Amino acid sequence: EVLLVQSGAEVKKPGESLKISCKASGYGFATYWIGWVRQMPGKGLEWMGIIYPGDSDTRYSPSFQGQVTISADKSIGTAYLQWPSLKASDTAMYYCARHESSWNLDYWGQGTLVTVSS
Amino acid sequence: DIQMTQSPSSLSASVGDRVTITCQASQAISNYLNWYQQKAGKAPKLLISDASNLRTGVPSRFSGSRSGTDFTFTISSLQPEDIATYYCQHHGSLPWTFGQGTKVEIK
Repeated sequence: EVLLVQSGAEVKKPGESLKISCKASGYGFATYWIGWVRQMPGKGLEWMGIIYPGDSDTRYSPSFQGQVTISADKSIGTAYLQWPSLKASDTAMYYCARHESSWNLDYWGQGTLVTVSS
Repeated sequence: DIQMTQSPSSLSASVGDRVTITCQASQAISNYLNWYQQKAGKAPKLLISDASNLRTGVPSRFSGSRSGTDFTFTISSLQPEDIATYYCQHHGSLPWTFGQGTKVEIK
């Protein structure tokens, strides 16, 4: 069974750094692209970017390029999303999602709620 | 970036009604269009891939079609458990983008 299990909710202050995780199991982690989707409170879904854990090839949406870093550790089957300096506008639910070979987001994590507030 | 214009933003229908949601792509994306269902407080779920392929385990009352750059998602007979927000998403060329979402409610 394919499972994506994300790290728990975070409450941070503006300017702090953060790294959230997405632990994959039940499939060959290195051979599927995995990515991140943002959902701000009461809003729609925004595709942020993807990584191929096999060679760490990473692609970003222009809206998120330079704002976040997507990484992966194939030895432990885990993808990451990190911020060097959070802003209040980063407050959102973040989902990881596996991209199957035809680019469909077929399995999703349960989401990680990030709250940034002074 | 390819933009997806989804409509309506919300709709209210009775149980048993036929419900239709549309997405229009700003440029040609072939069949590279997916539909997701998101229930309140839950992660999205892939229902239809590549415009019309019903995913395993998804009820047959859900369907999708394409005409050029216009895509249609249909629930043939709305059920109470279909209350959710539905999103289209293209994967024609990076970056993938989602439509704005359609909130479906029971009248």
